[in-house]
Amino acid sequence: KQEVTQIPAALSVPEGENLVLNCSFTDSAIYNLQWFRQDPGKGLTSLLLIQSSQREQTSGRLNASLDKSSGRSTLYIAASQPGDSATYLCAVEGVWDNAGNMLTFGGGTRLMVKP
Amino acid sequence: GAVVSQHPSRVICKSGTSVKIECRSLDFQATTMFWYRQFPKQSLMLMATSNEGSKATYEQGVEKDKFLINHASLTLSTLTVTSAHPEDSSFYICSARETNQPQHFGDGTRLSIL
Repeated sequence: KQEVTQIPAALSVPEGENLVLNCSFTDSAIYNLQWFRQDPGKGLTSLLLIQSSQREQTSGRLNASLDKSSGRSTLYIAASQPGDSATYLCAVEGVWDNAGNMLTFGGGTRLMVKP
Repeated sequence: GAVVSQHPSRVICKSGTSVKIECRSLDFQATTMFWYRQFPKQSLMLMATSNEGSKATYEQGVEKDKFLINHASLTLSTLTVTSAHPEDSSFYICSARETNQPQHFGDGTRLSIL
């Protein structure tokens, strides 16, 4: 069974700092890995999707890396802003059983960027 | 981009009431839809997977008679929480996908049972 762990569970930083969120997974047989943002009481916004054959993806101030063999991914946020405050979720997609492709989510990192 | 609409966004009702939540894919045909539940400060837990025209596949520990899922068309799936009780209060999120495409998520439904 796939397990996804995110560290740290919570993070508070002053505005302007660069920061790294970590995600690890136990089964490296994944199709892809996605990073999502979730604001309080809201749904999920997909930030970056990395296919299993890729090493990284970039979007604006966000950069996500994937090391499938070691079961790790990082989300790098440059020059953090108060508007970045949210919960960041990592999810891996794969076939863990006969039910077909499914996403397994980590527990999330709650980020607070202080002005 | 692909849009998934979930309705209602918020429900408050008395214990014993049955509540129906709708999930619609607005601009694509969703061959598969997923229902997740999220408790406060916890991550999303998959409840069930449904393919159009087939019975839903429920995750271990999820009561299929409690959480009725209908995926009658390629654009609509419904989750009905039957005889809801306070412990069913949670945030329910659906997602939908076309074959071999990423999942797209709805905005979630906050269910509060009094």
